[in-house]
Amino acid sequence: RKEVEQDPGPFNVPEGATVAFNCTYSNSASQSFFWYRQDCRKEPKLLMSVYSSGNEDGRFTAQLNRASQYISLLIRDSKLSDSATYLCVVKGDYKLSFGAGTTVTVRA
Amino acid sequence: DAGITQSPRHKVTETGTPVTLRCHQTENHRYMYWYRQDPGHGLRLIHYSYGVKDTDKGEVSDGYSVSRSKTEDFLLTLESATSSQTSVYFCAISDYRDNTGELFFGEGSRLTVL
Repeated sequence: RKEVEQDPGPFNVPEGATVAFNCTYSNSASQSFFWYRQDCRKEPKLLMSVYSSGNEDGRFTAQLNRASQYISLLIRDSKLSDSATYLCVVKGDYKLSFGAGTTVTVRA
Repeated sequence: DAGITQSPRHKVTETGTPVTLRCHQTENHRYMYWYRQDPGHGLRLIHYSYGVKDTDKGEVSDGYSVSRSKTEDFLLTLESATSSQTSVYFCAISDYRDNTGELFFGEGSRLTVL
């Protein structure tokens, strides 16, 4: 079983829509959680950290559910520029584990 | 953007040939990493370095070696390339070993082994 699993998508949504997706992790001792964004054929970049109480950064909201071992990312009022692959990253035991990514395509 | 450059950015080689990828940083970060990215897989750690001449293996280190003789340079070597090593390779740097989760990545090196 992979340490971090994501629905690969793609999620095709119109501009202005809300899109949400989850990531599950297998190690219950995982300590920290992050979302990275990767544009097509580009390097990943940190989008946001995920805190226990949930957190927002503009149109992006991240949630953590330790009991069910998943994190989520919600994007409100989607923009064309939000089209990317979103990587779930989980830190545990001094190691970062990356999910394979969820692809979001926002159409005009 | 963090000052990380990878070279070459693209390379096509034949099975059995040696290949060296270079990662150069201007941020003076202590930690440097080499990852590979393949379809259907997350980024997988090959090797990492926590200082000059200090390196350790990641989860997919077989067939790869690394060297770090200077803070700014981290080299990844495939002694004898195989088709299974066709991949996109990313170098990354950080100030703290995974403490914050923020890694700064280079633009990637796309390697094709025929």
